[in-house]
Amino acid sequence: QVHLVQSGAEVKKPGASVKVSCKASGYTFTNYHVHWVRQAPGQRLEWMGWIDTGNGYPKYSQNFGDRVTITRDTSASTAYMELSSLRSEDTAMYYCATLRGTFNTWGQGTMVAVSS
Amino acid sequence: QSALTQPASVSGSPGQSITISCTGTSSDVGAYNSVSWYQQHPGKAPKLMIYDVSDRPSGVSNRFSGSKSGNTASLTISGLQAEDEADYYCSSYTISNTLVFGGGTKLTVL
Repeated sequence: QVHLVQSGAEVKKPGASVKVSCKASGYTFTNYHVHWVRQAPGQRLEWMGWIDTGNGYPKYSQNFGDRVTITRDTSASTAYMELSSLRSEDTAMYYCATLRGTFNTWGQGTMVAVSS
Repeated sequence: QSALTQPASVSGSPGQSITISCTGTSSDVGAYNSVSWYQQHPGKAPKLMIYDVSDRPSGVSNRFSGSKSGNTASLTISGLQAEDEADYYCSSYTISNTLVFGGGTKLTVL
């Protein structure tokens, strides 16, 4: 059974960075890109970027400038999303997901709260 | 990147049909047949309902259907049921090899 299990909730101060992990199981990790999507409270889904888990090549949404970094560790079947220079507007649920056709699985989400 | 445009809300009575539109540009919705639709209940992760414009994953009711014309995609739900009440999001790949979501539509079953 395919699963994406994310790391736990985080509370950060403005200006700090956060790194969220996403461990895959039940399939060959390097066969599918891993995407990161966030959702602020009461707001829409927002795509942040993806990583080609085979070659490690990332692609980012322009909306985040250079604040987001997505990496992966194939030996651990785990993808990571790091967001820097956090501000209050970054308070959101962060999801990892595989979004290829019917191979569409989402992690349980990681809540990141940014507060002074 | 701007979000795809969806109506903020739609409503219908049980048994009726509703359609949710998703308008993009020739760089996303109009470029490829890669539109997907997601259903999201409060506090839950999104669930795939339609992919590649009109294909339905196994297990999704055939009351859900999708279509596309030019830069606008549509999700139709027929025979509305109470459990269909949720938020719905469209998404599309873009010519820049990125993904964009719609603004979301809240469906209310009256």
